[in-house]
Order: sequence, then structure tokens, then C-alpha cells
Amino acid sequence: EVQLVESGGGLGQPGGSLRLSCAASGFTFSTYTMSWVRQAPGKGLEWVSTISGSGISTYYADSVKGRFSISRDNSKNTVYLQMNSLRADDTAVYYCANSQWLVAAFDMWGQGTKVTVSS
Amino acid sequence: DLQMTQSPSTLSASVRDRVTITCRASQNVSNWLAWYQQKPGKAPKLLIYKASSLESGVPSRFSGSGSGTEFTLTISSLQPDDFATYYCQQYNSYWTFGHGTKVEVK
Repeated sequence: EVQLVESGGGLGQPGGSLRLSCAASGFTFSTYTMSWVRQAPGKGLEWVSTISGSGISTYYADSVKGRFSISRDNSKNTVYLQMNSLRADDTAVYYCANSQWLVAAFDMWGQGTKVTVSS
Repeated sequence: DLQMTQSPSTLSASVRDRVTITCRASQNVSNWLAWYQQKPGKAPKLLIYKASSLESGVPSRFSGSGSGTEFTLTISSLQPDDFATYYCQQYNSYWTFGHGTKVEVK
């Protein structure tokens, strides 16, 4: 069974940092593209970042470019989102999702981890 | 930037109604278009990929059509479990979601 389990959310300070993790199981992790999508309270879905299976290619939304960094450890079947210079508008539930290729829909999603940025 | 515009933003319907949601892309996305269903407090679920391909396990009352810049999601006979919010997503050039269509009880 495919499972994606996010962790690392919580309360972050404006200007501070948080690191999210997404542990994967049930599929050949290294062959899958992984993405992060967020949803602010009461709002729609916003794509945040994507990383290729090898980890060589990374992509970011303009809203997080230069502040967030995506990475993966294929030996641990885990993808990470390092969030720096946090802002109030980063407050959201963050989901990880997988897809078979870069040009593909997001097949499976985790349950999400909540990030709140507030002083 | 590529924009995805969904309409309507809210749709009131009854069980067994035929429901159609439209998604328009500001640029040609070919058929690289997906539809997702999301219920409150839950993660999104993939329904349709490549504009018209039904994801495994998704009921056949869901169908997708379109290419280029105009797409539709149709629910042929709305069931109680289908009241939810639906999002389109293009993946031709990076990834962009529409703003969502909430299907509510009439």
C-alpha cells in the first residue's frame, strides 16, 4: 500500500525556519517525482515545489523561491522541504504528493502537516 | 504566468443531477490536465489525468474532456459522496491549480 506521511509542522516564528519531512512507502521511491502542495486556511491548493526522482532537478513557485529548498534522500525514502525566512502567508497545511514522471498528475497524497507562522 | 480559471466557484445540485465543471487555461496546456476531489479536512484525491483518463478505482460516473485551453469535468449522476470541492491542475508548464469548485447540496 502506498503511504506518504508528513511531519515537522508546527509553530514557526516570522523570519524563522522549519523543516518538513515526508516518509514514503509502498512504491519504488527513487523512480518517482515528489512534490509539496500547500493549502492556506479556507483557501485553495497552491503548488510549492517539485523534485525529480534522482534529485537533480528542482522547481519552485515564485512565492517561495529563494526561501524554501526541496531535497530527498532516496536511501531513506524521504523528501524534505526546508522553509526559511518564514512569513505569515506561509501558514498552511502542507501536503506531499508523488507522481510517476515530471509531466504527470499527482497520484497519491499524504495527510498533510500544519504550519503556522506567528509571533 | 499560466492561470487556471474554474467555473462556477460554487454549484448547488441534488442527488442524481448531472454536474459539469469548467476549467480554462490562459495558455495551451495540450491534454496535461488533471482533476482532483477534496473533502473537508482531507487530502485531495486524483480523479482524472491527461484530461480524460479515469484514475483506477474512481467511479465511471466521473468523466473529463477537453484539450488545449478548455476542459470539463462531468459527474453523470451526482451521488451523496460526491459533495466536495473539485480542482483542476495543469502540468504542462510547471504545475498550477484552479481555485476550486464547491459542489454543495441544493
